[in-house]
Amino acid sequence: LAKTTQPISMDSYEGQEVNITCSHNNIATNDYITWYQQFPSQGPRFIIQGYKTKVTNEVASLFIPADRKSSTLSLPRVSLSDTAVYYCLVGDASGGSYIPTFGRGTSLIVHP
Amino acid sequence: GAVVSQHPSWVICKSGTSVKIECRSLDFQATTMFWYRQFPKQSLMLMATSNEGSKATYEQGVEKDKFLINHASLTLSTLTVTSAHPEDSSFYICSARTLQGGKNIQYFGAGTRLSVL
Repeated sequence: LAKTTQPISMDSYEGQEVNITCSHNNIATNDYITWYQQFPSQGPRFIIQGYKTKVTNEVASLFIPADRKSSTLSLPRVSLSDTAVYYCLVGDASGGSYIPTFGRGTSLIVHP
Repeated sequence: GAVVSQHPSWVICKSGTSVKIECRSLDFQATTMFWYRQFPKQSLMLMATSNEGSKATYEQGVEKDKFLINHASLTLSTLTVTSAHPEDSSFYICSARTLQGGKNIQYFGAGTRLSVL
C-alpha cells in the first residue's frame, strides 16, 4: 500500500480557500486517491476521488500533478462547519481487494 | 452518496456482557464490509474485513473469538463484542464498499460509541 503523508494540522479563517496537500511518493499505477472528512464522534464522509489531473464536485476540488506523487484537496471558502479531520487515502480502487487504510489525517480548524 | 446505517450509536454495558453492533447498507448491496476501531485523537484502525456468506478476515492482533463478525446478507453485517471489558471501550465504525463509475468507494456508518463499565 502506498504510504501517505499529510500535515498534522492546519488553521484557516472563514471565507478563505484551504488547500491540503498529501504526499504519496510510491503510488502505484492502478492507485486512486480518495479524500474523507471526519467530524468528532462520526464516521468518515467521502469527499472526492481522483486518478489524475483535476476532479471537481460540489464540495471540493482535487488536483493531481502528472507524476501523481502528491495531491491537493482544495476547499473553497471554508466555513466554521468545515472544521474536521481530513484523510487522504491511496489504493487500487478498481480492484476488488481494495481496503482503505487511514493515516493520521490533517486536523483543520477554521476560525471566525 | 450511498447510505450506511449503524446501530446503536451509543451503548453502555457492564463488564463481562456482550454487545452487538449492526451495520446496514440502505440503498445498495455490499459484498464486502469493514469494521474499524478508533480511539480518541487517533486514526481509524481496521479490525476486520467481512465478506457476505464467508468468514471474516481479521487484522493482526484482533481476536476473532472476542470480536465476532457475521455477514449474513448483502446489506447487513454485525459485530459482536463478547465478554466486553473496559479496555474494549472505543468508537467502532463500519463501512460498506460499492462500485461507482467503475471504482470502489467506501461509505461509512456514523459509528458506535461503546463504553464498558
